[in-house]
Amino acid sequence: DAGVIQSPRHEVTEMGQEVTLRCKPISGHDYLFWYRQTMMRGLELLIYFNNNVPIDDSGMPEDRFSAKMPNASFSTLKIQPSEPRDSAVYFCASTLDVLSDGYTFGSGTRLTVV
Amino acid sequence: AQKITQTQPGMFVQEKEAVTLDCTYDTSDPSYGLFWYKQPSSGEMIFLIYQGSYDQQNATEGRYSLNFQKARKSANLVISASQLGDSAMYFCAMRGRDRRQLTFGSGTQLTVLP
Repeated sequence: DAGVIQSPRHEVTEMGQEVTLRCKPISGHDYLFWYRQTMMRGLELLIYFNNNVPIDDSGMPEDRFSAKMPNASFSTLKIQPSEPRDSAVYFCASTLDVLSDGYTFGSGTRLTVV
Repeated sequence: AQKITQTQPGMFVQEKEAVTLDCTYDTSDPSYGLFWYKQPSSGEMIFLIYQGSYDQQNATEGRYSLNFQKARKSANLVISASQLGDSAMYFCAMRGRDRRQLTFGSGTQLTVLP
């Protein structure tokens, strides 16, 4: 299994531009999560999906952020317009619907907004 | 609400010695899971070990073991025979039975000295 695949690995964009982060979860996993990691706030959950349906988006910072999961093998996190404070590492993770399953994380996307 | 506390921002250990990384948690869920992740300088999140709240025995995975003390609400990670490659940030995390998202602690930066 190729694991959770995220793209791009690095993204540098100018303030005000739209940014789209992509994630392919492990086949057969029921849950998909988007996390953001910063030095100040650590790892924080943005949103998660169960069987492609958004379950909890209370961590999404504001309306500039949106996430979709059109099918079981693909999800996107979009920021429009981007701001310098959005600079962070964004992780996608997936897991089975089993309490003991260790969540598998992607390699992350390091976003820099200048 | 769930909360994970890691009180050691940084730890040093001599190569080949054992080290314990502390983790305490708080939850009202009767059933929950505790996880440890390793994040090397390359940035990926690597799942290390899992402990279920109803597990009678402490979890072990190779050189990793989890010292689970339910009454104290602690889930310390023990790394035996430390290696230089163990130098990394270590995160404790938990999820409840009905809460699918992982809640992370702030992490402990472990440095293994030659």
